[in-house]
Amino acid sequence: AQSVTQLDSQVPVFEEAPVELRCNYSSSVSVYLFWYVQYPNQGLQLLLKYLSGSTLVKGINGFEAEFNKSQTSFHLRKPSVHISDTAEYFCAVSPLQGGSEKLVFGKGTKLTVNP
Amino acid sequence: KAGVTQTPRYLIKTRGQQVTLSCSPISGHRSVSWYQQTPGQGLQFLFEYFSETQRNKGNFPGRFSGRQFSNSRSEMNVSTLELGDSALYLCASRWGTVDQETQYFGPGTRLLVL
Repeated sequence: AQSVTQLDSQVPVFEEAPVELRCNYSSSVSVYLFWYVQYPNQGLQLLLKYLSGSTLVKGINGFEAEFNKSQTSFHLRKPSVHISDTAEYFCAVSPLQGGSEKLVFGKGTKLTVNP
Repeated sequence: KAGVTQTPRYLIKTRGQQVTLSCSPISGHRSVSWYQQTPGQGLQFLFEYFSETQRNKGNFPGRFSGRQFSNSRSEMNVSTLELGDSALYLCASRWGTVDQETQYFGPGTRLLVL
């Protein structure tokens, strides 16, 4: 079984400041890793994903994440946030099993960017 | 290309009733997955359909069921509704396998059980 822990339920930051949203996971099998964003009253949008290869993954809207296998972490970072980045962010894992996808999500981190 | 569409967007039901939610995937996508989102439990996987076959299932009671049609459209049914079934139900579609392509989510159906 897999589990995902997002260490901060809420993160307030000022506009143009850097931000890091932390994610740790537990799994007995190899997994793919994802970050999704959810804006109010909307579905989920994929920010980035790690399947294999380089541990630094770049995504949309200037976000990036680094996979650390030894620490089982996949933290999300952005060097300078905007007001429009205010949303809830979800870290997720999916076990590698025959191409099927069964995302296991963390509880989410609400990012609030203040002017 | 149109995105994933879900109907209805909002629904109010009473305990004991049943409900059917619909999801139309992006054209050409063969995989459809369903997720339940609640404030308490967060996002939880319900099931995945691929070419009309259920390929994966989460840990939900048998009251939750689904199906996929030959045009890849999917429906999810919940029978004997309970108050705890109040949630946002999200549908997602993808063309191929998880390592081939991104999964795209719809806006969800918000179900309120009174």
